[in-house]
Amino acid sequence: AQSVTQLGSHVSVSEGALVLLRCNYSSSVPPYLFWYVQYPNQGLQLLLKYTTGATLVKGINGFEAEFKKSETSFHLTKPSAHMSDAAEYFCAVRDSGGYQKVTFGIGTKLQVIP
Amino acid sequence: EAQVTQNPRYLITVTGKKLTVTCSQNMNHEYMSWYRQDPGLGLRQIYYSMNVEVTDKGDVPEGYKVSRKEKRNFPLILESPSPNQTSLYFCASSPSGRGNNQPQHFGDGTRLSIL
Repeated sequence: AQSVTQLGSHVSVSEGALVLLRCNYSSSVPPYLFWYVQYPNQGLQLLLKYTTGATLVKGINGFEAEFKKSETSFHLTKPSAHMSDAAEYFCAVRDSGGYQKVTFGIGTKLQVIP
Repeated sequence: EAQVTQNPRYLITVTGKKLTVTCSQNMNHEYMSWYRQDPGLGLRQIYYSMNVEVTDKGDVPEGYKVSRKEKRNFPLILESPSPNQTSLYFCASSPSGRGNNQPQHFGDGTRLSIL
């Protein structure tokens, strides 16, 4: 069974500082990887995804993530945090085989300090 | 507009009173899924469906039922709700098929409180 680990359920950064949200997965075969963002009282929106090809993936709102197979990681970064980035972020993996099961991490709440 | 619609958005009810949360999508997606979101636990999958009349248990199916009679609808049924089912529920859909790499589209959530 695959699992997803997000280190740090709460992360605080100053406005303008680097955002780094960590995600590690365990899977016997490389899965498909996603980052979602959840703003208060809303559903989840896709930030970016990795399927195949280039390991550095760019998403919306200036976020990007790098797939590192050797480290089984898919960390999310943004060079300069904005107040509007305050939200909860979820890493998810999807089986690349037939069952299509999706597993989510526990989420990381990002606080941006003015 | 492509969307996943859940109803109701909020519900307060009492233990044992059967309830149904509806979910409908207009994207012709084969795959649909229900999740519950609880603080510190992230999203946990309750049930999922690969297509019409094909459903399977997720990680936390106890106390829930689902059906998939039509492609667009995937209702979540709580036959005898209990307080430990108080949670925020999300329905999601995506294309299916082997090798599918598409993300899921999520509804806005249903907040259930069971007293």
